[in-house]
Amino acid sequence: GESVGLHLPTLSVQEGDNSIINCAYSNSASDYFIWYKQESGKGPQFIIDIRSNMDKRQGQRVTVLLNKTVKHLSLQIAATQPGDSAVYFCAEATAGGTSYGKLTFGQGTILTVHP
Amino acid sequence: NAGVTQTPKFRVLKTGQSMTLLCAQDMNHEYMYWYRQDPGMGLRLIHYSVGEGTTAKGEVPDGYNVSRLKKQNFLLGLESAAPSQTSVYFCASSTLAGGATDTQYFGPGTRLTVL
Repeated sequence: GESVGLHLPTLSVQEGDNSIINCAYSNSASDYFIWYKQESGKGPQFIIDIRSNMDKRQGQRVTVLLNKTVKHLSLQIAATQPGDSAVYFCAEATAGGTSYGKLTFGQGTILTVHP
Repeated sequence: NAGVTQTPKFRVLKTGQSMTLLCAQDMNHEYMYWYRQDPGMGLRLIHYSVGEGTTAKGEVPDGYNVSRLKKQNFLLGLESAAPSQTSVYFCASSTLAGGATDTQYFGPGTRLTVL
């Protein structure tokens, strides 16, 4: 079946460095991608999203890049802080039809930020 | 706003017992979702609802039932719990069905152990 996966299960960085978390997706029909942050003992928290008609979107300290040619999604965190330590999930969805509104999540990447 | 709340936070069941997990949201969202999260895996959709009185199956619906009698509540039932249902359960809600302007808001989760 279709799936969304991550290249790296763990990522360790120093405080102040930039972090890049990668995600590969296989469903070429997906038109909506989301990054979530999940801290220990909490539910996923929305970070940023991007539609398939875009290749870049910026938020506060975060940027999501979408490369539809190679079906690759990345999350860039600038000036990473200890509070950014969490598990990051990418998710994809397809608008319309029977899949409308249903998110497919990747496995997650553990980001650890060292002070 | 409390956002999305879940009760209970923790529960231990014996094989064959039944229980109901309650999800409540105070954001007047139309869509609600139940996910399970297992170690090393992303969230998987169990059931979802597009409005009061409606429910639909997700990716892993077997062994679970749901009800949406009130717009603000979404109940997940386990009729005869099995050890394979040991997991962390998350509820989410959204205004629309996963479109680009929509965000799923997650509750804090319920940790269920079935012995």
